[in-house]
Amino acid sequence: QSALTQPASVSGSPGQSITISCTGTSSDVGGYNYVSWYQQHSGKAPKLMIYDVSNRPSGVSNRFSGSKSGNTASLTISGLQAEDEADYYCSSYTSSSTRVFGTGTKVTVL
Amino acid sequence: QVQLQESGPGLVKPSGTLSLTCAVSGGSISSSNWWSWVRQPPGKGLEWIGEIYHSGSTNYNPSLKSRVTISVDKSKNQFSLKLSSVTAADTAVYYCARVNHEVVSAANYYYGMDVWGQGTTVTVSS
Repeated sequence: QSALTQPASVSGSPGQSITISCTGTSSDVGGYNYVSWYQQHSGKAPKLMIYDVSNRPSGVSNRFSGSKSGNTASLTISGLQAEDEADYYCSSYTSSSTRVFGTGTKVTVL
Repeated sequence: QVQLQESGPGLVKPSGTLSLTCAVSGGSISSSNWWSWVRQPPGKGLEWIGEIYHSGSTNYNPSLKSRVTISVDKSKNQFSLKLSSVTAADTAVYYCARVNHEVVSAANYYYGMDVWGQGTTVTVSS
């Protein structure tokens, strides 16, 4: 299975909004509403930020939101803060009953 | 709340077998969740390895399937990973994670990998 495609890097100034895309196929992203997003700070374990395309776990800031259109899912971070600087990965369930991660996106706060 | 802790050798010889265990505390491995292994080579992205349900049902990454075995030990509340015929390309930080899942009226619902271990570094070298 091929990794989902994400931009290598996205940057923004504090207070701005940024969007990270995650492109797959009809066999993964487009076929299921089981897209999740993870934040990973350097040297730390990943943290679930969004599940089932657009749902936030308890404790995750409402500045994080998710959506999906066709084979592409998106994560938007609004009101960008210094603490948001991290790597972000999308993940999807697949038609083979497996899971696949995205290539990862490094978010830089300017 | 549920916590996960990986353990196992930090150094494995090429062509050998990598063996890791993930201990589950604060909850039962026999709950309705799936239990996953994920790895991350140095400087690279996350790669899903596979997952197991307490019944013993498994799903594996097709690219690793021929070398991977994931098992569960309900008596010890833990699950394990074995990866055979390792090479330097298998050097990575290995994470265990819980896939939040429930069955409602015979339908499966997944809620993401919501609990992660801290990760353990495994180096393949002679």
